[in-house]
Amino acid sequence: DQQVKQNSPSLSVQEGRISILNCDYTNSMFDYFLWYKKYPAEGPTFLISISSIKDKNEDGRFTVFLNKSAKHLSLHIVPSQPGDSAVYFCAATYSGAGSYQLTFGKGTKLSVIP
Amino acid sequence: EAGVAQSPRYKIIEKRQSVAFWCNPISGHATLYWYQQILGQGPKLLIQFQNNGVVDDSQLPKDRFSAERLKGVDSTLKIQPAKLEDSAVYLCASSLGQALAKNIQYFGAGTRLSVL
Repeated sequence: DQQVKQNSPSLSVQEGRISILNCDYTNSMFDYFLWYKKYPAEGPTFLISISSIKDKNEDGRFTVFLNKSAKHLSLHIVPSQPGDSAVYFCAATYSGAGSYQLTFGKGTKLSVIP
Repeated sequence: EAGVAQSPRYKIIEKRQSVAFWCNPISGHATLYWYQQILGQGPKLLIQFQNNGVVDDSQLPKDRFSAERLKGVDSTLKIQPAKLEDSAVYLCASSLGQALAKNIQYFGAGTRLSVL
């Protein structure tokens, strides 16, 4: 039972264009969402997060949008750069968990073509 | 600031052998996590420590996996005996504390285990 789903295993985008990575969740108790980025042979690194009380959070070229009614979030990267090529994981957690355990999606591999 | 250190980076063993992984979290981080990441999947939490106490080990296969964090700093994860399906990357992560909604976890590079 996958509670966090990233249905696109891969995405290719031209340099300078927008990259949109999508994530869906099924557990309505999730109230905090994070995106992690992973390069080969490295551990995931935190990128950006959003609380369920917001519908948008922006940090430089990265913006995360949250649609609670649709249980959907997306990560926008504008403009995309070759260095953004990596695997992006969506993760979710909820305050009532106590441990704030993160549930991860399977990831989307982004390739930015120069 | 030093990141999360893990060793070894790679390990190849035969099934039914035992193996141990080591993790040293970021200094001052009270919470430590071990994840298993099978190829093509996202990381799955195995066990979470708060200082030297276990917070959550509900997904740890306790018949073969064990973990400890005796002094509340570094930690070891052991598999005994290993099975073919244990082939994965084992990631260690740490965070300042669990009582934060902004639960930013910092990951090590992982140990890639191959069980033959």
